[in-house]
Amino acid sequence: AQTVTQSQPEMSVQEAETVTLSCTYDTSESDYYLFWYKQPPSRQMILVIRQEAYKQQNATENRFSVNFQKAAKSFSLKISDSQLGDAAMYFCAYRSAINNDMRFGAGTRLTVKP
Amino acid sequence: EAQVTQNPRYLITVTGKKLTVTCSQNMNHEYMSWYRQDPGLGLRQIYYSMNVEVTDKGDVPEGYKVSRKEKRNFPLILESPSPNQTSLYFCASIQPSTDTQYFGPGTRLTVL
Repeated sequence: AQTVTQSQPEMSVQEAETVTLSCTYDTSESDYYLFWYKQPPSRQMILVIRQEAYKQQNATENRFSVNFQKAAKSFSLKISDSQLGDAAMYFCAYRSAINNDMRFGAGTRLTVKP
Repeated sequence: EAQVTQNPRYLITVTGKKLTVTCSQNMNHEYMSWYRQDPGLGLRQIYYSMNVEVTDKGDVPEGYKVSRKEKRNFPLILESPSPNQTSLYFCASIQPSTDTQYFGPGTRLTVL
């Protein structure tokens, strides 16, 4: 079965600085999707960014970008110009394109210091 | 406004008392899913449904049932809740064109 690992339970960053959250996954499939979700204290799950495995180009959404290394099965999230509102739990997730099985990592709690 | 709604948002119940958590989406999505979130474990998929009358087990289906009689609704049923089902539950639906998951606001369930 696929697994998703986030090795950093907590991270902290200074406001306006850049931080990178790590994620690795294990799969034998060649076609899948990867996601980063943000969960603020409100508990709502908010999609931050999405990457299709067949695309070599790294996804970017404003201040958020990913470093997708398919061979290494790595999918890190970079947050540039960190803002206080970025403070939240961040979850890395994998979705199979074959059976739609969805797997999440345990999460990384990001603190942003003013 | 596109949204996924869940009810109730908070529920405290006792062991063995059957309960249903409702989930409804207004986006006409075919794919819907239920997750539970526990500290240190992230979200784990309980059941998912690819369309009306089509449901499949996820990672942790034991103790749960679901039904999908119409496209917009996907209720989660706990026939005989136990304390180990105390958790935060999320319903979600997927927009196929972008593979974006829309999550509901969550249901905090406590089983005493």
